[in-house]
Amino acid sequence: AQSVAQPEDQVNVAEGNPLTVKCTYSVSGNPYLFWYVQYPNRGLQFLLKYITGDNLVKGSYGFEAEFNKSQTSFHLKKPSALVSDSALYFCAVKRGGATNKLIFGTGTLLAVQP
Amino acid sequence: DTAVSQTPKYLVTQMGNDKSIKCEQNLGHDTMYWYKQDSKKFLKIMFSYNNKELIINETVPNRFSPKSPDKAHLNLHINSLELGDSAVYFCASSQDRGDGYTFGSGTRLTVV
Repeated sequence: AQSVAQPEDQVNVAEGNPLTVKCTYSVSGNPYLFWYVQYPNRGLQFLLKYITGDNLVKGSYGFEAEFNKSQTSFHLKKPSALVSDSALYFCAVKRGGATNKLIFGTGTLLAVQP
Repeated sequence: DTAVSQTPKYLVTQMGNDKSIKCEQNLGHDTMYWYKQDSKKFLKIMFSYNNKELIINETVPNRFSPKSPDKAHLNLHINSLELGDSAVYFCASSQDRGDGYTFGSGTRLTVV
């Protein structure tokens, strides 16, 4: 079975500081990993994905994530947080080569203080 | 043009009623999905269709029935609505296994 863990319900960071939102996963075979963001009363927006290749992937709005196979992690990072980054962030995983079932983590609320 | 559109955006109904939520995508994707987001923001897949064929059917009450008339549409019909059905329902679509999903803006269902 595949699963995703986001150990922090909420992350608080001051504007201008770097941010990290943690994600670990469990899946058999090669994982396809994703980050999505959800603003209040909105749908989910795709940020970035890791399928294969370079472990550091860059995405929308200056976000990036690092795939670490040995630690089964895919943490989301940004060098300098903006107040407008405040939202709910979801990590998601699906197995490569299997049915297209994307499993989401429980979400982490990012609060950026001015 | 909205890529994945859901109607209605809000739905308030009484227990026991039957209701439908419609979803359409104009991206040419082959696969469509329904997800449920509960009050704690947990997202759980319910169904998936690929080219009108049901490929994922999670443990969902029989009162929920998806219908896909063509690959651009996936509707969700719910019979005998219960209070616990209150949630936000998201439709999504994708093209192939390496793709992320494109989500609709959601339908907030409130059962009273």
